[in-house]
Amino acid sequence: EPEVTQTPSHQVTQMGQEVILRCVPISNHLYFYWYRQILGQKVEFLVSFYNNEISEKSEIFDDQFSVERPDGSNFTLKIRSTKLEDSAMYFCASSEAPERPQYFGPGTRLLVL
Amino acid sequence: QKEVEQDPGPLSVPEGAIVSLNCTYSNSAFQYFMWYRQYSRKGPELLMYTYSSGNKEDGRFTAQVDKSSKYISLFIRDSQPSDSATYLCAMRSTSGSRLTFGEGTQLTVNP
Repeated sequence: EPEVTQTPSHQVTQMGQEVILRCVPISNHLYFYWYRQILGQKVEFLVSFYNNEISEKSEIFDDQFSVERPDGSNFTLKIRSTKLEDSAMYFCASSEAPERPQYFGPGTRLLVL
Repeated sequence: QKEVEQDPGPLSVPEGAIVSLNCTYSNSAFQYFMWYRQYSRKGPELLMYTYSSGNKEDGRFTAQVDKSSKYISLFIRDSQPSDSATYLCAMRSTSGSRLTFGEGTQLTVNP
């Protein structure tokens, strides 16, 4: 069964460093998403992406964040200068269409020291 | 008022019990309703996906949506220890792509 994959599974970084989180969405899906979950809190939407453009973003997704589809299979989330409060689980998701279900990857656990 | 409210539990039931999980919401624009299961430190796994009001059944799982009361439910019949996880409700309006999640209910099914 097709699934969303994410790398790395864990990342530890120093405050102020840049990190890139990678995702491979399900192959026939055209809509891509990033969510995050701070430990003990609810899953929060960050951004949605379609046709090489951001289609929607939340107030969390500020200038420190960017997304990119560098090739036909990968989808990335970049955090330019990490802060302590960026420590969270980051989930990538994909869907065939905006009204279709979103399928989530296993997540990348980011720890900012 | 939170957009989506979900009792975090924890909820502990014996094996074979019927489990009822619920969410309420305040945004009347929500039209798509989902239930995800999340095992510890893993990604959300889609269980049920419904549009607008009504019931949907899939095996031991039944999802109900009551838009007039802004209330959704997930029923698990003949619960198994492998059902032990956190259950997340999520919702989406027709005008956007973002999912809005509840806080999740932690369920333990005891053998």
